[in-house]
Amino acid sequence: AQSVAQPEDQVNVAEGNPLTVKCTYSVSGNPYLFWYVQYPNRGLQFLLKYITGDNLVKGSYGFEAEFNKSQTSFHLKKPSALVSDSALYFCAVRSIPDSWGKLQFGAGTQVVVTP
Amino acid sequence: EPEVTQTPSHQVTQMGQEVILRCVPISNHLYFYWYRQILGQKVEFLVSFYNNEISEKSEIFDDQFSVERPDGSNFTLKIRSTKLEDSAMYFCASSARTSGGLQETQYFGPGTRLLVL
Repeated sequence: AQSVAQPEDQVNVAEGNPLTVKCTYSVSGNPYLFWYVQYPNRGLQFLLKYITGDNLVKGSYGFEAEFNKSQTSFHLKKPSALVSDSALYFCAVRSIPDSWGKLQFGAGTQVVVTP
Repeated sequence: EPEVTQTPSHQVTQMGQEVILRCVPISNHLYFYWYRQILGQKVEFLVSFYNNEISEKSEIFDDQFSVERPDGSNFTLKIRSTKLEDSAMYFCASSARTSGGLQETQYFGPGTRLLVL
């Protein structure tokens, strides 16, 4: 069975400081890993994904994530956070052998960026 | 930029009533999904749909639920007899297919907030 853990319910960071949102996963087989962001009363917006290749993945709005196979982690990072980055962030995983693409989501991490 | 759309944005219904939630996936996508998010909880997979049939469903997706692609553009989720616990945000998603036959990223709609009274 596949699962995703986001160990922090909330991350607080001052504007301009680096932002990290943690994610660890468990799948049988190789993982596809995703980050989505949800703004209030909005849907899930795709940020970035890891399929294969370079462990450092760059995505939208200056976000990046690092795939670490040995630690089964896929932490989301942004070098300099903006107030507008305040939102709910979800990590998701699916297993490559699963051809139908069901995503397993983490519980979400609320990011609060203060001016 | 193409996007997934959903209607209605909000739906209030009485317990036992039927509801139909509608989605228009991105036009060249072939895989379609429904997820739900109960308030304060994680996003949960309900069902995936490909080539006009269900490809996978979760244990949540019981006989009260059904999906349909009635025409070339719409993808619907029907709940036959709603229960209080069906109150949630329902998200539709779609994805394309790579040349290798695998799926691409799932893109989500804005959701329909369903409230069952």
